Amino acid sequence: GEDVEQSLFLSVREGDSSVINCTYTDSSSTYLYWYKQEPGAGLQLLTYIFSNMDMKQDQRLTVLLNKKDKHLSLRIADTQTGDSAIYFCAEKERNRDDKIIFGKGTRLHILP
Amino acid sequence: EPEVTQTPSHQVTQMGQEVILRCVPISNHLYFYWYRQILGQKVEFLVSFYNNEISEKSEIFDDQFSVERPDGSNFTLKIRSTKLEDSAMYFCASSEPSDRRSQPQHFGDGTRLSIL
Repeated sequence: GEDVEQSLFLSVREGDSSVINCTYTDSSSTYLYWYKQEPGAGLQLLTYIFSNMDMKQDQRLTVLLNKKDKHLSLRIADTQTGDSAIYFCAEKERNRDDKIIFGKGTRLHILP
Repeated sequence: EPEVTQTPSHQVTQMGQEVILRCVPISNHLYFYWYRQILGQKVEFLVSFYNNEISEKSEIFDDQFSVERPDGSNFTLKIRSTKLEDSAMYFCASSEPSDRRSQPQHFGDGTRLSIL
């Protein structure tokens, strides 16, 4: 069945770039999302990409999609302490389901 | 920026009791969803709702669960007789009225449900 996998933890020094990786199994996935969850808060939509795109950039965020390897990454440039959160990779098929399939989330820890 | 709001933020209920979780979706959105996240596990889809009926539901969404849009603004999830394993964070989401499958879902802050 559909599955989304991501590493559970990432530590990055303040000012460096963070790269959070994700793999998915469903080759029909058409929409891929990154959500951010700060402590005690909900799921904030950060960015999303359609499968007909390879890259999307939005200010400090860059999403790269490798469809062949079913690999999605989120790069955060100039990582700040406010970026400390859990980042969820998620995917959805366009023509089938309403549901979003989430990964377990990567906890990003910022080192001073 | 418009947002999805959920109440209460934390609900503590005795096992076997009924609980209603409330959500106010973004005002021009017409597609509504409930997800849950058991501690330490993935966020899981429960149900989607459009035009006053369920569009899709998961295996988790059994007869103990129901959803309702009682008025023009609220969207509720009812659990009829709660079990210990219903303890989780419950997230409400909504998406825009255009082709829902292409529109991203926007989530609320969640309600933490604790069953004693």
